[in-house]
Amino acid sequence: RKEVEQDPGPFNVPEGATVAFNCTYSNSASQSFFWYRQDCRKEPKLLMSVYSSGNEDGRFTAQLNRASQYISLLIRDSKLSDSATYLCVVNLYRPNTGNQFYFGTGTSLTVIP
Amino acid sequence: NAGVTQTPKFRILKIGQSMTLQCTQDMNHNYMYWYRQDPGMGLKLIYYSVGAGITDKGEVPNGYNVSRSTTEDFPLRLELAAPSQTSVYFCASSYRVAQFFGPGTRLTVL
Repeated sequence: RKEVEQDPGPFNVPEGATVAFNCTYSNSASQSFFWYRQDCRKEPKLLMSVYSSGNEDGRFTAQLNRASQYISLLIRDSKLSDSATYLCVVNLYRPNTGNQFYFGTGTSLTVIP
Repeated sequence: NAGVTQTPKFRILKIGQSMTLQCTQDMNHNYMYWYRQDPGMGLKLIYYSVGAGITDKGEVPNGYNVSRSTTEDFPLRLELAAPSQTSVYFCASSYRVAQFFGPGTRLTVL
């Protein structure tokens, strides 16, 4: 079973739409959670951390449900510049291996004019 | 801060050649990682390091070697390049939470 699973999409939405991405993780001991954005042929860049209480950064809202081992990202009022692949990332610290990050395969978003 | 830097940006190798991909970070992070990303696929961990002098294998270490003599540098060595190693290679560093990535090295083996 994969550590992190995401719906690969693609999601094609019109400008101004609201879109939601979901992600599940398999290890209940996972400690930290993130959404990264990756543009075509570029490196992943940290979009936001995800907290159990939910957190918002402008048009972006992230939510974590530890009981269901589920992470979500909501993008409101989509812009053309939001077109990218969104990666769900889970962090797990183990004494023998240190800090390990597990990446989903990404969800592709295209915002259409 | 420059963050995580990688050189070269692009490289074409012939089968059997060797090369070193350079990675440097100036954030004084203990952890460093090497990933490869094949077209349309997710990131796969090659090697990682929890601090200077300590390295360990990731998911796909075969055909690669690493060293970590300083906190800042984490070079990745390919000894006998094979077409299966054609990929984009990303280096990343972290302190405890969140990773920061370099811009990548795009490698083609012909």
